Amino acid sequence: QVQLMQSGAEVKKPGASVRVSCQASAYSFTDYAMHWVRQAPGQSLEWMGWINIRTGATEYSQTFQDRLTITRDTSASTAYLDLSSLKFEDTAIYFCARRSVYGNLFDYWGQGTLVTVSS
Amino acid sequence: EIVMTQSPATLSVSPGETATFSCRASQFVSNNLAWYQQKPGQAPRLLIYGASTGAPGIPARFSGSGYGTEFTLTISSLQSEDSAIYYCQQYDTWPPLTFGGGTKVEIK
Repeated sequence: QVQLMQSGAEVKKPGASVRVSCQASAYSFTDYAMHWVRQAPGQSLEWMGWINIRTGATEYSQTFQDRLTITRDTSASTAYLDLSSLKFEDTAIYFCARRSVYGNLFDYWGQGTLVTVSS
Repeated sequence: EIVMTQSPATLSVSPGETATFSCRASQFVSNNLAWYQQKPGQAPRLLIYGASTGAPGIPARFSGSGYGTEFTLTISSLQSEDSAIYYCQQYDTWPPLTFGGGTKVEIK
């Protein structure tokens, strides 16, 4: 069955950068776009950006425009989120989510990666 | 940016009863509306897309309706495992894709 396996929890200091990976299995990786969504503690879901896996084209929320980079390695069926200049308010669970064939909604999600920003 | 507003914030319903809650979009989104269920410590799960189409494997007791700016999710014959937070998401006009604040369903 389709699985998105994310990397483990991270603890970072303010100003640092973090990379979260998302390895896909049991489907053709290049046939589906990948999005990233985050959820701060006790809060709703916040869309961050997406990548066309086939072409590598990306689009980001203006909230993260200058700090966020999403990439992919098709040989490893893995997508990556890089977030720089971390702030305390970036503490959240970060999810990768596969774009559905029905539109820009999400049919499969990774298990989530907790990123804690603490001094 | 399209703002999604869900109500109520919390709903307490007895097993076997029906739970109904709403999602309102600040602008027209046609039927480009999805619903997700999220249980504690888990990722969201897609329930409904196209405002009213059930995702594969989702029980028929979950149903969605609405068009334009007003949407509803109904859970009939509520079961204990339906205790969760439910989020709506519009995918009509983006970026950004936007989610509602969620409705927490509690089982009495």
